[in-house]
Amino acid sequence: QKEVEQNSGPLSVPEGAIASLNCTYSDRGSQSFFWYRQYSGKSPELIMSIYSNGDKEDGRFTAQLNKASQYVSLLIRDSQPSDSATYLCAAANQAGTALIFGKGTTLSVSS
Amino acid sequence: EAQVTQNPRYLITVTGKKLTVTCSQNMNHEYMSWYRQDPGLGLRQIYYSMNVEVTDKGDVPEGYKVSRKEKRNFPLILESPSPNQTSLYFCASSPNPGAGVADTQYFGPGTRLTVL
Repeated sequence: QKEVEQNSGPLSVPEGAIASLNCTYSDRGSQSFFWYRQYSGKSPELIMSIYSNGDKEDGRFTAQLNKASQYVSLLIRDSQPSDSATYLCAAANQAGTALIFGKGTTLSVSS
Repeated sequence: EAQVTQNPRYLITVTGKKLTVTCSQNMNHEYMSWYRQDPGLGLRQIYYSMNVEVTDKGDVPEGYKVSRKEKRNFPLILESPSPNQTSLYFCASSPNPGAGVADTQYFGPGTRLTVL
Protein backbone atom coordinates (compact mmCIF):
# COMPACT_ATOMS: atom_id res chain seq x y z
CA GLN A 1 0.00 0.00 0.00
CA LYS A 2 1.50 3.30 -1.08
CA GLU A 3 1.64 5.79 1.77
CA VAL A 4 2.34 9.41 2.55
CA GLU A 5 3.41 10.06 6.14
CA GLN A 6 3.09 13.32 8.02
CA ASN A 7 3.56 14.32 11.64
CA SER A 8 0.03 15.01 12.90
CA GLY A 9 1.16 17.83 15.19
CA PRO A 10 -0.10 20.14 16.41
CA LEU A 11 2.74 22.36 15.33
CA SER A 12 2.62 25.63 17.21
CA VAL A 13 4.54 28.72 16.13
CA PRO A 14 4.31 32.39 17.08
CA GLU A 15 3.14 34.96 14.58
CA GLY A 16 5.97 36.02 12.26
CA ALA A 17 7.96 32.81 12.68
CA ILE A 18 8.78 30.17 10.07
CA ALA A 19 6.64 27.05 10.12
CA SER A 20 8.22 23.88 8.73
CA LEU A 21 6.02 21.00 7.62
CA ASN A 22 7.40 17.69 6.43
CA CYS A 23 6.25 14.53 4.74
CA THR A 24 7.68 11.34 3.33
CA TYR A 25 6.24 9.11 0.64
CA SER A 26 6.69 5.45 -0.19
CA ASP A 27 5.99 5.27 -3.95
CA ARG A 28 9.28 5.84 -5.76
CA GLY A 29 7.30 6.18 -8.98
CA SER A 30 5.53 9.32 -7.76
CA GLN A 31 6.43 12.35 -9.87
CA SER A 32 4.02 15.03 -8.66
CA PHE A 33 3.59 16.39 -5.17
CA PHE A 34 1.15 18.82 -3.67
CA TRP A 35 0.49 20.74 -0.49
CA TYR A 36 -3.12 21.51 0.37
CA ARG A 37 -4.47 23.63 3.20
CA GLN A 38 -7.73 22.64 4.82
CA TYR A 39 -9.71 24.61 7.34
CA SER A 40 -11.98 22.64 9.63
CA GLY A 41 -15.06 21.38 7.77
CA LYS A 42 -13.93 22.94 4.49
CA SER A 43 -12.53 21.49 1.30
CA PRO A 44 -8.77 21.21 0.63
CA GLU A 45 -7.27 24.20 -1.12
CA LEU A 46 -4.09 23.87 -3.21
CA ILE A 47 -1.12 25.87 -1.94
CA MET A 48 1.81 24.50 -3.91
CA SER A 49 2.68 21.85 -6.44
CA ILE A 50 6.22 20.61 -7.04
CA TYR A 51 7.53 18.20 -9.64
CA SER A 52 11.33 18.57 -9.66
CA ASN A 53 14.00 18.21 -7.02
CA GLY A 54 14.87 21.42 -5.26
CA ASP A 55 12.96 24.42 -4.02
CA LYS A 56 9.92 26.18 -5.40
CA GLU A 57 8.86 29.52 -3.94
CA ASP A 58 5.50 31.27 -4.12
CA GLY A 59 5.12 34.29 -1.89
CA ARG A 60 5.53 33.24 1.73
CA PHE A 61 5.52 29.54 0.82
CA THR A 62 8.46 27.39 -0.25
CA ALA A 63 8.11 23.75 -1.19
CA GLN A 64 11.14 21.47 -1.20
CA LEU A 65 11.43 18.09 -2.88
CA ASN A 66 14.12 15.45 -2.51
CA LYS A 67 13.21 12.40 -4.57
CA ALA A 68 16.27 10.42 -3.47
CA SER A 69 15.14 10.72 0.15
CA GLN A 70 11.44 10.57 -0.79
CA TYR A 71 10.90 13.72 1.21
CA VAL A 72 8.73 16.79 0.66
CA SER A 73 8.54 19.84 2.87
CA LEU A 74 6.68 23.14 3.06
CA LEU A 75 8.07 26.27 4.70
CA ILE A 76 5.75 29.11 5.62
CA ARG A 77 7.58 32.35 6.30
CA ASP A 78 6.13 35.19 8.39
CA SER A 79 3.40 32.89 9.69
CA GLN A 80 0.03 34.55 10.33
CA PRO A 81 -2.88 33.44 12.54
CA SER A 82 -4.86 32.94 9.32
CA ASP A 83 -2.37 30.19 8.40
CA SER A 84 -3.74 28.09 11.26
CA ALA A 85 -5.18 25.04 9.51
CA THR A 86 -4.42 21.44 8.65
CA TYR A 87 -1.86 20.99 5.89
CA LEU A 88 -2.16 17.94 3.67
CA CYS A 89 0.75 16.53 1.72
CA ALA A 90 -0.19 14.50 -1.37
CA ALA A 91 1.71 12.47 -3.92
CA ALA A 92 0.36 11.33 -7.26
CA ASN A 93 0.56 7.60 -7.76
CA GLN A 94 2.75 6.31 -10.54
CA ALA A 95 -0.20 5.63 -12.83
CA GLY A 96 -1.41 9.20 -12.44
CA THR A 97 -4.88 8.03 -11.42
CA ALA A 98 -4.98 9.22 -7.82
CA LEU A 99 -3.48 11.42 -5.19
CA ILE A 100 -2.32 9.65 -2.07
CA PHE A 101 -2.85 11.96 0.88
CA GLY A 102 -1.11 12.11 4.20
CA LYS A 103 -3.29 12.46 7.27
CA GLY A 104 -2.31 16.08 7.68
CA THR A 105 -0.37 18.28 10.08
CA THR A 106 -2.29 20.76 12.20
CA LEU A 107 -0.59 24.16 12.38
CA SER A 108 -1.46 26.71 15.03
CA VAL A 109 -0.09 30.26 14.74
CA SER A 110 -0.47 32.33 17.87
CA SER A 111 -0.67 36.13 17.82
CA GLU B 1 -17.03 31.05 -11.98
CA ALA B 2 -14.97 27.88 -12.39
CA GLN B 3 -16.06 25.45 -9.73
CA VAL B 4 -16.98 21.97 -8.58
CA THR B 5 -20.42 21.74 -6.99
CA GLN B 6 -21.87 19.02 -4.80
CA ASN B 7 -25.40 18.41 -3.63
CA PRO B 8 -26.65 17.99 -1.05
CA ARG B 9 -24.16 19.62 1.30
CA TYR B 10 -25.62 17.92 4.36
CA LEU B 11 -27.67 14.74 4.53
CA ILE B 12 -29.00 12.63 7.37
CA THR B 13 -30.53 9.35 6.29
CA VAL B 14 -31.31 5.88 7.59
CA THR B 15 -29.69 2.54 6.94
CA GLY B 16 -30.67 0.98 3.62
CA LYS B 17 -32.30 4.01 1.98
CA LYS B 18 -30.66 4.56 -1.40
CA LEU B 19 -29.15 7.96 -1.98
CA THR B 20 -27.20 9.87 -4.61
CA VAL B 21 -24.73 12.68 -4.08
CA THR B 22 -24.31 14.75 -7.21
CA CYS B 23 -21.06 16.30 -8.42
CA SER B 24 -20.74 18.70 -11.32
CA GLN B 25 -17.83 20.72 -12.72
CA ASN B 26 -17.91 23.53 -15.27
CA MET B 27 -14.22 23.49 -16.20
CA ASN B 28 -14.40 20.85 -18.93
CA HIS B 29 -12.12 18.62 -16.89
CA GLU B 30 -11.46 15.08 -18.00
CA TYR B 31 -10.64 13.57 -14.61
CA MET B 32 -13.05 13.36 -11.68
CA SER B 33 -12.77 11.57 -8.38
CA TRP B 34 -14.58 10.92 -5.11
CA TYR B 35 -12.93 10.89 -1.70
CA ARG B 36 -14.14 10.31 1.80
CA GLN B 37 -12.50 11.93 4.80
CA ASP B 38 -12.65 10.43 8.27
CA PRO B 39 -10.91 11.52 11.49
CA GLY B 40 -7.60 9.76 11.88
CA LEU B 41 -7.80 8.20 8.41
CA GLY B 42 -7.42 11.22 6.17
CA LEU B 43 -8.67 11.48 2.61
CA ARG B 44 -9.21 8.18 0.84
CA GLN B 45 -10.20 7.72 -2.76
CA ILE B 46 -13.46 5.88 -3.48
CA TYR B 47 -13.70 5.95 -7.28
CA TYR B 48 -12.14 7.89 -10.08
CA SER B 49 -12.88 8.53 -13.74
CA MET B 50 -10.13 9.37 -16.20
CA ASN B 51 -12.74 10.38 -18.80
CA VAL B 52 -16.29 9.44 -19.79
CA GLU B 53 -15.08 6.05 -20.97
CA VAL B 54 -12.88 5.03 -18.07
CA THR B 55 -14.01 4.64 -14.46
CA ASP B 56 -12.28 2.55 -11.85
CA LYS B 57 -12.13 1.75 -8.14
CA GLY B 58 -10.01 3.64 -5.68
CA ASP B 59 -8.90 2.43 -2.28
CA VAL B 60 -12.31 2.16 -0.57
CA PRO B 61 -15.00 1.37 -3.22
CA GLU B 62 -17.11 -1.11 -1.21
CA GLY B 63 -20.71 0.02 -0.87
CA TYR B 64 -20.46 2.73 -3.52
CA LYS B 65 -21.26 3.08 -7.20
CA VAL B 66 -20.56 5.85 -9.69
CA SER B 67 -21.46 6.70 -13.26
CA ARG B 68 -19.94 9.07 -15.83
CA LYS B 69 -22.48 9.51 -18.59
CA GLU B 70 -21.26 12.99 -19.45
CA LYS B 71 -18.04 14.86 -18.82
CA ARG B 72 -19.33 17.39 -16.33
CA ASN B 73 -21.18 15.06 -13.92
CA PHE B 74 -19.96 12.27 -11.67
CA PRO B 75 -22.63 11.17 -9.16
CA LEU B 76 -21.85 8.96 -6.18
CA ILE B 77 -24.50 6.36 -5.41
CA LEU B 78 -25.01 4.52 -2.14
CA GLU B 79 -27.42 1.69 -2.91
CA SER B 80 -27.86 0.58 0.70
CA PRO B 81 -26.12 3.01 3.06
CA SER B 82 -24.78 1.77 6.37
CA PRO B 83 -23.59 3.68 9.46
CA ASN B 84 -19.93 3.05 8.54
CA GLN B 85 -20.48 5.26 5.49
CA THR B 86 -21.05 8.25 7.74
CA SER B 87 -18.33 10.60 6.56
CA LEU B 88 -17.38 13.83 4.82
CA TYR B 89 -17.33 13.31 1.06
CA PHE B 90 -15.43 15.36 -1.49
CA CYS B 91 -15.66 15.36 -5.25
CA ALA B 92 -12.64 16.61 -7.19
CA SER B 93 -11.72 17.24 -10.79
CA SER B 94 -8.57 18.00 -12.75
CA PRO B 95 -7.81 18.69 -16.41
CA ASN B 96 -6.06 15.38 -17.09
CA PRO B 97 -3.75 13.49 -14.77
CA GLY B 98 -2.08 11.75 -17.65
CA ALA B 99 0.43 9.00 -17.18
CA GLY B 100 2.95 9.66 -14.49
CA VAL B 101 1.93 13.25 -13.85
CA ALA B 102 -1.08 14.29 -11.89
CA ASP B 103 -2.47 17.74 -12.47
CA THR B 104 -3.97 20.00 -9.86
CA GLN B 105 -7.18 18.72 -8.38
CA TYR B 106 -9.99 21.14 -7.58
CA PHE B 107 -12.25 20.08 -4.77
CA GLY B 108 -15.95 20.59 -4.28
CA PRO B 109 -17.29 22.02 -1.01
CA GLY B 110 -18.00 18.63 0.53
CA THR B 111 -21.07 16.65 1.58
CA ARG B 112 -21.47 15.68 5.19
CA LEU B 113 -23.40 12.41 5.32
CA THR B 114 -24.82 10.81 8.44
CA VAL B 115 -26.35 7.33 8.21
CA LEU B 116 -28.40 6.33 11.25
